[in-house]
Amino acid sequence: DTGVSQNPRHKITKRGQNVTFRCDPISEHNRLYWYRQTLGQGPEFLTYFQNEAQLEKSRLLSDRFSAERPKGSFSTLEIQRTEQGDSAMYLCASSSGQGGETQYFGPGTRLLVL
Amino acid sequence: SQQGEEDPQALSIQEGENATMNCSYKTSINNLQWYRQNSGRGLVHLILIRSNEREKHSGRLRVTLDTSKKSSSLLITASRAADTASYFCATLSHMDTGRRALTFGSGTRLQVQP
Repeated sequence: DTGVSQNPRHKITKRGQNVTFRCDPISEHNRLYWYRQTLGQGPEFLTYFQNEAQLEKSRLLSDRFSAERPKGSFSTLEIQRTEQGDSAMYLCASSSGQGGETQYFGPGTRLLVL
Repeated sequence: SQQGEEDPQALSIQEGENATMNCSYKTSINNLQWYRQNSGRGLVHLILIRSNEREKHSGRLRVTLDTSKKSSSLLITASRAADTASYFCATLSHMDTGRRALTFGSGTRLQVQP
């Protein structure tokens, strides 16, 4: 499978718990992006990595959110002390940095915070 | 924040008809991209048009870009029931900004009746 994969696909958690999502980009893609999408809206940018360096972070990424890409391959997004407002679809995308920045998206992780 | 605004928000047509969706944006761009999203799924890249291009075709898709009006349109010809999805435009900021994240609009929900 050469596409972007994300795990888990669904996550239900109680308010206050920590959750971690994983994204495996298309191999050889050096750029990786995280977005959040709420119902009826378009995706909103959270953060971006080039290789292992986190180069850009949105103001949406509060201090409860942390993302890593330790070896420049897969990435994790952790949300600490989850709140009901964190309920959303978390999308990961990757790109090769060429060809006009076409980003290829994974299927997303749907988070529900009760 | 969402830069793009799609118009209309929802569109219902009969199979075989053409569907036109419009997108407006606010800042200077490097390129504009259109994505499709089936319900609850990830985004699929459809087409990319660069800021120095005015029109682009891909199969049944035709995209136009008017940078003077900061607007784009996506035309789907001879629509099929399988085209039912949400369609998003996304802009990549001008290279001088250094930003690599896409900024999405709020989407047009297209329903194609068989």
